[in-house]
Amino acid sequence: QKEVEQNSGPLSVPEGAIASLNCTYSDRVSQSFFWYRQYSGKSPELIMSIYSNGDKEDGRFTAQLNKASQYVSLLIRDSQPSDSATYLCAVNSYNTDKLIFGTGTRLQVFP
Amino acid sequence: EAGVTQFPSHSVIEKGQTVTLRCDPISGHDNLYWYRRVMGKEIKFLLHFVKESKQDESGMPNNRFLAERTGGTYSTLKVQPAELEDSGVYFCASSQERTKTGDTQYFGPGTRLTVL
Repeated sequence: QKEVEQNSGPLSVPEGAIASLNCTYSDRVSQSFFWYRQYSGKSPELIMSIYSNGDKEDGRFTAQLNKASQYVSLLIRDSQPSDSATYLCAVNSYNTDKLIFGTGTRLQVFP
Repeated sequence: EAGVTQFPSHSVIEKGQTVTLRCDPISGHDNLYWYRRVMGKEIKFLLHFVKESKQDESGMPNNRFLAERTGGTYSTLKVQPAELEDSGVYFCASSQERTKTGDTQYFGPGTRLTVL
């Protein structure tokens, strides 16, 4: 079992729709959770971080964390073609500094 | 503020040769991380510096890889001798505080290494 699992996609949504990206993790002592966006050939760029159970909203993005289910998700409202990218879920476990990444989900937003 | 920079952006070498990758973190960031992504796989942690000290090198694949951060500023990652399986994209990241305290890692654009 991979430590962080994501569906590789592609996830295709029409412009204006809500894109829902999901991630599960295996280490119960994970404490910090990050969503990075990566355009092809570019550096991963932090979109959201979340540390506590519940929802965290920032503009069109909402991160949701459920530690009991070991599940973290990212919702993108009013999806735009410019949101088309690979979204990486990363997890940081207790008392370490390294990030453990999933393989990423490729999102395609079509006009 | 300048972001994390890496040099070169691409490197193509033959098996058995040596390659040195460089990373310049964001100014003032004590924490510097190296990661690697091989084709079709997830980004994987290699090691973590706090200033010039190696805090965690548990991800280094073998002794052909040598990372240094003399003076606690830029870092180099040397692969000697390179093998075919070393091909991939090498990312550097930096953070001001430790990630385990909740700080964010900022990533560079990566160096794409191809070993022929």
